Amino acid sequence: SQQGEEDPQALSIQEGENATMNCSYKTSINNLQWYRQNSGRGLVHLILIRSNEREKHSGRLRVTLDTSKKSSSLLITASRAADTASYFCATDSGTYKYIFGTGTRLKVLA
Amino acid sequence: EAGVAQSPRYKIIEKRQSVAFWCNPISGHATLYWYQQILGQGPKLLIQFQNNGVVDDSQLPKDRFSAERLKGVDSTLKIQPAKLEDSAVYLCASSSAQRQETQYFGPGTRLLVL
Repeated sequence: SQQGEEDPQALSIQEGENATMNCSYKTSINNLQWYRQNSGRGLVHLILIRSNEREKHSGRLRVTLDTSKKSSSLLITASRAADTASYFCATDSGTYKYIFGTGTRLKVLA
Repeated sequence: EAGVAQSPRYKIIEKRQSVAFWCNPISGHATLYWYQQILGQGPKLLIQFQNNGVVDDSQLPKDRFSAERLKGVDSTLKIQPAKLEDSAVYLCASSSAQRQETQYFGPGTRLLVL
């Protein structure tokens, strides 16, 4: 079963614009991570946010976490064509057993 | 540092046949995961190993799927017999004892069952 649901399912933007995708989950978590998956390839870890953190930055990425709403958002600023990929959130309830969401397919148009 | 290796990259089989996938994790990584990713969905955890012991296999269809991790290094995942709905990408990932929360994924094996 999927713990997380990403929203929107698909997103198409112009290069230079910001992209925001959201993840909602069902049960209490220890941490939440975001991964990127390019077409036909494995997943690449982007950023981790712990349950006691509210916001985290890494380069052009900004992640927020609202444990009261059981939701997280990933913001990619100044998007590039190379950011075209599927983005997944994954939650861990403390056992290092990760449950992935359904993913957001991002397309950045040059 | 070499990444997670998987083979084969692609496999096409007929239903009811058997198939095996191989994974070589990053050297020294104690935890190894197998995921199944059906087209258009997120990865679903099948089995998690800690060294050569099974931590979680609650979502592994044990009537047809089996996995082992001999000597706590390489791992194989087998499907016997395969069904049409097993068509998916099988991803292997590993993590270190020092940073268990970060998983490193291999390129995956794309399986098509006809």
